[in-house]
Amino acid sequence: GAGVSQSPRYKVAKRGQDVALRCDPISGHVSLFWYQQALGQGPEFLTYFQNEAQLDKSGLPSDRFFAERPEGSVSTLKIQRTQQEDSAVYLCASSLGTDGYTFGSGTRLTVV
Amino acid sequence: AQSVTQLDSQVPVFEEAPVELRCNYSSSVSVYLFWYVQYPNQGLQLLLKYLSGSTLVESINGFEAEFNKSQTSFHLRKPSVHISDTAEYFCAVSGGAAGNKLTFGGGTRVLVKP
Repeated sequence: GAGVSQSPRYKVAKRGQDVALRCDPISGHVSLFWYQQALGQGPEFLTYFQNEAQLDKSGLPSDRFFAERPEGSVSTLKIQRTQQEDSAVYLCASSLGTDGYTFGSGTRLTVV
Repeated sequence: AQSVTQLDSQVPVFEEAPVELRCNYSSSVSVYLFWYVQYPNQGLQLLLKYLSGSTLVESINGFEAEFNKSQTSFHLRKPSVHISDTAEYFCAVSGGAAGNKLTFGGGTRVLVKP
């Protein structure tokens, strides 16, 4: 597609539930990033893929967070046993290099 | 580690007045600098970027930013704002020790009043 597509757009999860957030990057973009944006704050880096290789996962807040990109295209961010502090907008971005990143519209996760 | 500081969390401004959003970063090596705009309930849109060359960069909708290496700043300006410029603006940096991941500032909310 023309842009980065994320689904679902909104997700409400009960505390303790597992969730899976999907990102479909721009075709041909090698790099894919996940960011977490809490209310009223700037996005915080979570993890980075180059093709199917996860090169940096230093931003994942706990072992409940897991990301994958098995075929170097679509990526899934999974959060196990969700907690209230996981409530945020999760943004995905893709790029060809370092000179431009295209962001999706995000998934707003609310844990109740 | 790299960091980005946006000194103003909120900037109210009247329509057709100028606005400046301040951004300072910390890095001892060359970096790439970006400004993104986020409208309500939307993702981030790239406004402009500095990679190399001329220190003054411009966007298609009248914004400009100047890279100042000695002051490690990348302030964003617009000489005359419109109501439609009401949004949140994020300064970001990549490169150096952080590689190609973006480090964002906390954002500046611009509220344009009629």
